[in-house]
Amino acid sequence: DADVTQTPRNRITKTGKRIMLECSQTKGHDRMYWYRQDPGLGLRLIYYSFDVKDINKGEISDGYSVSRQAQAKFSLSLESAIPNQTALYFCATSGGLNTGELFFGEGSRLTVL
Amino acid sequence: RKEVEQDPGPFNVPEGATVAFNCTYSNSASQSFFWYRQDCRKEPKLLMSVYSSGNEDGRFTAQLNRASQYISLLIRDSKLSDSATYLCVVNTNFNKFYFGSGTKLNVKP
Repeated sequence: DADVTQTPRNRITKTGKRIMLECSQTKGHDRMYWYRQDPGLGLRLIYYSFDVKDINKGEISDGYSVSRQAQAKFSLSLESAIPNQTALYFCATSGGLNTGELFFGEGSRLTVL
Repeated sequence: RKEVEQDPGPFNVPEGATVAFNCTYSNSASQSFFWYRQDCRKEPKLLMSVYSSGNEDGRFTAQLNRASQYISLLIRDSKLSDSATYLCVVNTNFNKFYFGSGTKLNVKP
């Protein structure tokens, strides 16, 4: 089983619908991140969390919200999806200070029509 | 200005060639540096960390120049399996990771 699991892996939805992407991890890491990837733009940080009570905005948080329900779970919501939120979304975890490696889920491909 | 900038490529090289990628970063307070590899439609995976003294892992060599704020990756004896996108990643002192847009490498037979 993957250490970082994202659901759903693929989703097609319509403009205005609410969408939730879920992420769970078995690595025991405190730090969790949500990124989106668009062609030619690389990965951009949406939100991040360093523990259950900590939520921080990233570079492109407008139109998104997150919930850190437990150490192992970090969900990303699109309250009212729009077509320019069509992208590949990655959840990632990190082990802590001076620990460089990010561990990614397999990605959630979202299409908003 | 972007936090991390890379040449998007693609770099098209024959098998056995040596290829080098560079990456520049804007935040002089950045603390740690990495190269990640991403295969098409897959998640990024750590290739190697980059240390000030330079480091090597088999055919891969990474170097950091803090004064000029750039990072390099050298791949020797390229293999077909090296074809991928290489992402430069910088970690600030607030433990936020910034990604370059990636450099695409195509290794041809």
